[in-house]
Amino acid sequence: EAQVTQNPRYLITVTGKKLTVTCSQNMNHEYMSWYRQDPGLGLRQIYYSMNVEVTDKGDVPEGYKVSRKEKRNFPLILESPSPNQTSLYFCASTAARQSSYNEQFFGPGTRLTVL
Amino acid sequence: LAKTTQPISMDSYEGQEVNITCSHNNIATNDYITWYQQFPSQGPRFIIQGYKTKVTNEVASLFIPADRKSSTLSLPRVSLSDTAVYYCLVPGFQKLVFGTGTRLLVSP
Repeated sequence: EAQVTQNPRYLITVTGKKLTVTCSQNMNHEYMSWYRQDPGLGLRQIYYSMNVEVTDKGDVPEGYKVSRKEKRNFPLILESPSPNQTSLYFCASTAARQSSYNEQFFGPGTRLTVL
Repeated sequence: LAKTTQPISMDSYEGQEVNITCSHNNIATNDYITWYQQFPSQGPRFIIQGYKTKVTNEVASLFIPADRKSSTLSLPRVSLSDTAVYYCLVPGFQKLVFGTGTRLLVSP
């Protein structure tokens, strides 16, 4: 089944404790992206990657890192989480054709709480 | 990126047709109009995309007038399971910008 998977689905952590949220897709998509969703703010893009070893900042990259060492994986790293990073996070992927950037496949989400 | 404006919420009943209109006055020549659906605590799901006139798939229809400054998502004969948030987007290259969407509530 074609899908985007994220782990963990739920995470409660404390300020300053490094964490990684994994994202994996099995559709051989070149493009992958991370979003966060907060009430009243919609979804905002954190980072995106056009292909292996190619990443770039989205609208809200502060406090996050990403890496793209393999085509299928795009982990989101919070080196020193803070309470304002409490949010619902989504990973998404799509094929690298311009019109299809519009049709992104989203993962199930990771609900992160930073105390 | 073209800014989109859509109603905050809509109510409907099972079996009715629902039309959600979105305005995007500064849409660029090459922009597509895209709609997503999101259920609570799930990732958004692509519904339909169009450039002009009318597009139909198994889920919805999308109507786009000639000036392309607005578009209407049409959901035929909605059911309770269509209760969700619907987002109208005019994506930029490599980026999706989601607003707050239209919260559709379908009642029995």
